[in-house]
Amino acid sequence: GESVGLHLPTLSVQEGDNSIINCAYSNSASDYFIWYKQESGKGPQFIIDIRSNMDKRQGQRVTVLLNKTVKHLSLQIAATQPGDSAVYFCAENAHMEYGNKLVFGAGTILRVKS
Amino acid sequence: NAGVTQTPKFQVLKTGQSMTLQCAQDMNHNSMYWYRQDPGMGLRLIYYSASEGTTDKGEVPNGYNVSRLNKREFSLRLESAAPSQTSVYFCASSRDRATEQYFGPGTRLTVT
Repeated sequence: GESVGLHLPTLSVQEGDNSIINCAYSNSASDYFIWYKQESGKGPQFIIDIRSNMDKRQGQRVTVLLNKTVKHLSLQIAATQPGDSAVYFCAENAHMEYGNKLVFGAGTILRVKS
Repeated sequence: NAGVTQTPKFQVLKTGQSMTLQCAQDMNHNSMYWYRQDPGMGLRLIYYSASEGTTDKGEVPNGYNVSRLNKREFSLRLESAAPSQTSVYFCASSRDRATEQYFGPGTRLTVT
């Protein structure tokens, strides 16, 4: 899952296995969530999003699950490939006093073993 | 369609020097953002511009200023750089405030 600080959680998976990356969000009023992938030396790249009126959304090899009861978000990657190795961030659209803003988690490192 | 571009890619400054980081997007997005990313931490919002002509502070605005030059361009200025501003800076844009953001490749800034 997500954590704040210098030591990011790391998930190591074997190539071809499925990966599940978890994220706990903080604001029960958040209505939009995004997963980003960040490869070394690059900017974050949009993977998939989900609105709070849904509990599941599927993309190509990725599925996002949203559990609003426990404020939990997960990203499932099917048949993980070496190119999936990266840091994955979740972000929630939080309603602040000055407007909406995306709040990012610290990230989870995914390492794919060949 | 280049997406979001940033210049420079790398920069080394001495304490007290000033510089401007440039950002441009070609997606006709209304909103633009500046973030900093420090090792092992998530992205922290410095400033944002919800639409052309407006700018607002994010969570870590001290030591920075921004200019939304036009719809395409959003610059970040460090007037007097400090070692605490050593970081990777990302610019992002989105169609509106509540839609996905697209990020540039980042600027690695070191202040000695």
